[in-house]
Amino acid sequence: GQSLEQPSEVTAVEGAIVQINCTYQTSGFYGLSWYQQHDGGAPTFLSYNALDGLEETGRFSSFLSRSDSYGYLLLQELQMKDSASYFCAVQNDYKLSFGAGTTVTVRA
Amino acid sequence: DAGITQSPRHKVTETGTPVTLRCHQTENHRYMYWYRQDPGHGLRLIHYSYGVKDTDKGEVSDGYSVSRSKTEDFLLTLESATSSQTSVYFCAIRTDENTEAFFGQGTRLTVV
Repeated sequence: GQSLEQPSEVTAVEGAIVQINCTYQTSGFYGLSWYQQHDGGAPTFLSYNALDGLEETGRFSSFLSRSDSYGYLLLQELQMKDSASYFCAVQNDYKLSFGAGTTVTVRA
Repeated sequence: DAGITQSPRHKVTETGTPVTLRCHQTENHRYMYWYRQDPGHGLRLIHYSYGVKDTDKGEVSDGYSVSRSKTEDFLLTLESATSSQTSVYFCAIRTDENTEAFFGQGTRLTVV
């Protein structure tokens, strides 16, 4: 089976930088994705890493190290609207399995 | 927005009754997934499909069955609903080429 571990909560102030780590155990790994979910809403896709290295999309960046079974999501220049839950997800074969999520709270 | 619709959006049912949730897509995506979301557990995979009549179990499949008789519909059935199946259920779709999964708006199911 798969297992993913990520911190349950992170709190930071506006303008700060937050890093959410994700470690995983799985077989047949294809890639690591990140999703954002606001309260009461559906998860939405943020990024995907299949190869080692950093992918940057605006204020958000995602990193993957396949050899360490580790990745992270970096949120820069935090804004109040970034308060949400963030999930890492591993894609292998046909499956897409999620971690328990990290709740990010941004304070003024 | 990806064309994915879940129905019903809300449902209250009694313990022991069968319940079917429907996920409908207009995107012709190959992969379809059912998840449940509970506080502290994130999104847990119940069942998934990789084509018409091709389905497999996820991590929390006990008490659930699925069917996919055509590309656009993926049905999740709770054979005999229990209070532990009270949850928010999400359907998701994905293509072969696209690593991004699109989610429906969710179904809030309460078993009393």
